[in-house]
Amino acid sequence: EPEVTQTPSHQVTQMGQEVILRCVPISNHLYFYWYRQILGQKVEFLVSFYNNEISEKSEIFDDQFSVERPDGSNFTLKIRSTKLEDSAMYFCASSEWRSAYEQYFGPGTRLTVT
Amino acid sequence: AQSVAQPEDQVNVAEGNPLTVKCTYSVSGNPYLFWYVQYPNRGLQFLLKYITGDNLVKGSYGFEAEFNKSQTSFHLKKPSALVSDSALYFCAVISGSGNTPLVFGKGTRLSVIA
Repeated sequence: EPEVTQTPSHQVTQMGQEVILRCVPISNHLYFYWYRQILGQKVEFLVSFYNNEISEKSEIFDDQFSVERPDGSNFTLKIRSTKLEDSAMYFCASSEWRSAYEQYFGPGTRLTVT
Repeated sequence: AQSVAQPEDQVNVAEGNPLTVKCTYSVSGNPYLFWYVQYPNRGLQFLLKYITGDNLVKGSYGFEAEFNKSQTSFHLKKPSALVSDSALYFCAVISGSGNTPLVFGKGTRLSVIA
């Protein structure tokens, strides 16, 4: 069964450093998403991406964040200058289409900013 | 604004007994409703969804959920719980009428006791 994959599974970085989280969505899916889950809190939407551009973004997704689909398979989330409060589990998801179509989630990358 | 409420942080049930995990929602327009399950160190796995049609939807692993428009609820149920059902369950909603992201509840931890 096809699945969304994410690398690395755990990333530790120092405050102020740039990190890139990588995802390989399911191959025939058209919509891609990033969510984050701060420990003990709810899953929060960050951004959705369709047709090589951002479709929607939340208030969390400020200028420190960017997304890219550099080739036909990868989907990346970059945090330019990490802050302590960026420590969270980051989930990538993909769906065939939006709204009525279920999103399939990757296993997540745990980002720890020290 | 869309929102999801899962009023119980924790639900405990004996193996073999029926289980219910509660969810209520608020959305403008018609809701598309989803249940996801998260096992330790794993991503979110899709269980089932309600888009339209029959109010009782059946999903993976014997789970089902009932959409109740008047009570704005979408409770997750299973007739006979298994120890392996122990996990974190998330209800989520998206508005079918607009360009809005998936909004999650805070999650309910289900513990099935042998």
